Amino acid sequence: EPEVTQTPSHQVTQMGQEVILRCVPISNHLYFYWYRQILGQKVEFLVSFYNNEISEKSEIFDDQFSVERPDGSNFTLKIRSTKLEDSAMYFCATQPGGTNTEAFFGQGTRLTVV
Amino acid sequence: AQRVTQPEKLLSVFKGAPVELKCNYSYSGSPELFWYVQYSRQRLQLLLRHISRESIKGFTADLNKGETSFHLKKPFAQEEDSAMYYCAGETSGSRLTFGEGTQLTVNP
Repeated sequence: EPEVTQTPSHQVTQMGQEVILRCVPISNHLYFYWYRQILGQKVEFLVSFYNNEISEKSEIFDDQFSVERPDGSNFTLKIRSTKLEDSAMYFCATQPGGTNTEAFFGQGTRLTVV
Repeated sequence: AQRVTQPEKLLSVFKGAPVELKCNYSYSGSPELFWYVQYSRQRLQLLLRHISRESIKGFTADLNKGETSFHLKKPFAQEEDSAMYYCAGETSGSRLTFGEGTQLTVNP
């Protein structure tokens, strides 16, 4: 069964460093998302991406964050200058279509900023 | 603003007992509602959605617009049902708004 794959599974970085989280979507999916979950808190929406552009972003997704799909396969989330409060589990999700189609989640990347 | 609330962080039942995981929502318009489940060391996966009105693994959920609820129910819990359950609502933009999650433990 096709799966969304995220790498790395765990990333430790120093405050102020840039990190790139990678996601390989399921091949025929068109809608891509990043969510995050700070320890003990809700899963929160960050950004959605369709047709090679951001379709929606939350207030969390400020100028420190960016997404792209540089080679038509990987979908990446970049955090330019990490802060301690960026420590969280980051989930990539993809959907074949839009509203009310199932979102398939990756296994997550645990980001720890020290 | 859209909001999904799961009032119980932890729920513990015995095998064979009925289980109900509560979910309330606050949405403008008619949301699409889902239950996602995360078993230990596995990824989040869809359990069921209100529009399909199906039963998955013995679980059902009915949308009650009067009470703005979408509670998840199962008449006889099994040990393998132990997991984290998330209620989620979807807006027209396809983003999911998650509840806090309920950790269900089914004891033998």
